[in-house]
Amino acid sequence: EIVLTQSPDFQSVTPKGKVTITCRASQSVGTSLHWYQQKPGQSPKLLIKFASQSISGVPSRFSGRGSGTDFTLTINGLEAEDAAMYYCHQSASLLTFGGGTKVEIK
Amino acid sequence: QLQLKESGPGLVRPSETLTLTCTISGGSLSNNYWSWIRQPAGKGLEWLGRVAPGGIIIYNPSLASRLTVSLDTSQKRFTLRLNSVTAADTAVYYCARQIYATPFDSWGQGTRVTVSS
Repeated sequence: EIVLTQSPDFQSVTPKGKVTITCRASQSVGTSLHWYQQKPGQSPKLLIKFASQSISGVPSRFSGRGSGTDFTLTINGLEAEDAAMYYCHQSASLLTFGGGTKVEIK
Repeated sequence: QLQLKESGPGLVRPSETLTLTCTISGGSLSNNYWSWIRQPAGKGLEWLGRVAPGGIIIYNPSLASRLTVSLDTSQKRFTLRLNSVTAADTAVYYCARQIYATPFDSWGQGTRVTVSS
């Protein structure tokens, strides 16, 4: 099983600030790494697919990069509506999720 | 527009079998992978099992001995059966769709299940 380790667990950032979340895989997943946003009481929403590919309807302030075992999700210009949990997910081998990162607006 | 809706009992007694159904509407079943994912309150997401085109089924190894998933293409329903449940199985259960080995792009709203006597 591929283990995904996210860091940090929690991040508090001022509006318009920058958020960087890291996801490290226990073995290479190529670019089969995806990011989701989940708000309280809602289902997860796909933000980024295959490490860096944008999703229609997702604001351009969300971006991703990486390959192999190290990946990052960046939010540039944080807005109040971005307060949420963020999860990485790999589809290279079986399916696993990272533990999540909570983003709070200061 | 594909829609997924989970249904099932909100409360299950310990040691019994949990059965959940995901009703699929507004889209085709072909070329899609259908998964169950759960989330205990305040915790992260755990993938449980998946049915792929052609009926290929894979399970999370940690649950494989207790879990059965199946797809009824005529009824457009995806079913989860988890036996010998314990309090650790208390969670919100989601069904979700992948188009082949892509990410989950469609999710149900989730159904909350509590295991308690």
